[in-house]
Amino acid sequence: QKEVEQNSGPLSVPEGAIASLNCTYSDRGSQSFFWYRQYSGKSPELIMFIYSNGDKEDGRFTAQLNKASQYVSLLIRDSQPSDSATYLCAVRPESGGSYIPTFGRGTSLIVHP
Amino acid sequence: EPEVTQTPSHQVTQMGQEVILRCVPISNHLYFYWYRQILGQKVEFLVSFYNNEISEKSEIFDDQFSVERPDGSNFTLKIRSTKLEDSAMYFCASAAGLEALGETQYFGPGTRLLVL
Repeated sequence: QKEVEQNSGPLSVPEGAIASLNCTYSDRGSQSFFWYRQYSGKSPELIMFIYSNGDKEDGRFTAQLNKASQYVSLLIRDSQPSDSATYLCAVRPESGGSYIPTFGRGTSLIVHP
Repeated sequence: EPEVTQTPSHQVTQMGQEVILRCVPISNHLYFYWYRQILGQKVEFLVSFYNNEISEKSEIFDDQFSVERPDGSNFTLKIRSTKLEDSAMYFCASAAGLEALGETQYFGPGTRLLVL
């Protein structure tokens, strides 16, 4: 059973701070890693994907991947109240031609003014 | 900006009834997906569809489920005989290509299905 674990939170940070969201996964064959943002009652929206070990930056967002530790994280710099949402980590194997993603339950982030 | 649309936004049905959930993917997209999210639970992959056939399906996607692209624009999910546990939000998504190649999946707003 492939598992993707996230702390459900809520993670509460003040406006302007760095929010750090973490995700661990069980399948060592995982190749692709995705972070989605989901506002309450809305659909997931892709923020970033990462394939290679290390950091990937896009604006205020940085994804960090460590395949040896089976760990992927998302940093949000200069957090804004509009960043308050649930952040979903998704992991995909891409072995044997499979692209079926496994999602975590998500971490609720609250950015307070 | 192009977007994925889904109808209806809400559907209430009796257990054992058939439901069809409809999606209009973004027009030039080639890959289509259905996901579901039970209230308070994680998003679960159901099925992917490419070139008029199922590419992959999860264990959830059993014989009660089917997908179809009846014309050039719609992509449907049919549940033949609904069960109480089918109550969930169903999301359609589409992509121009594979995420492995850097393409993004765009999600529709979802259909909330309630089975009584």
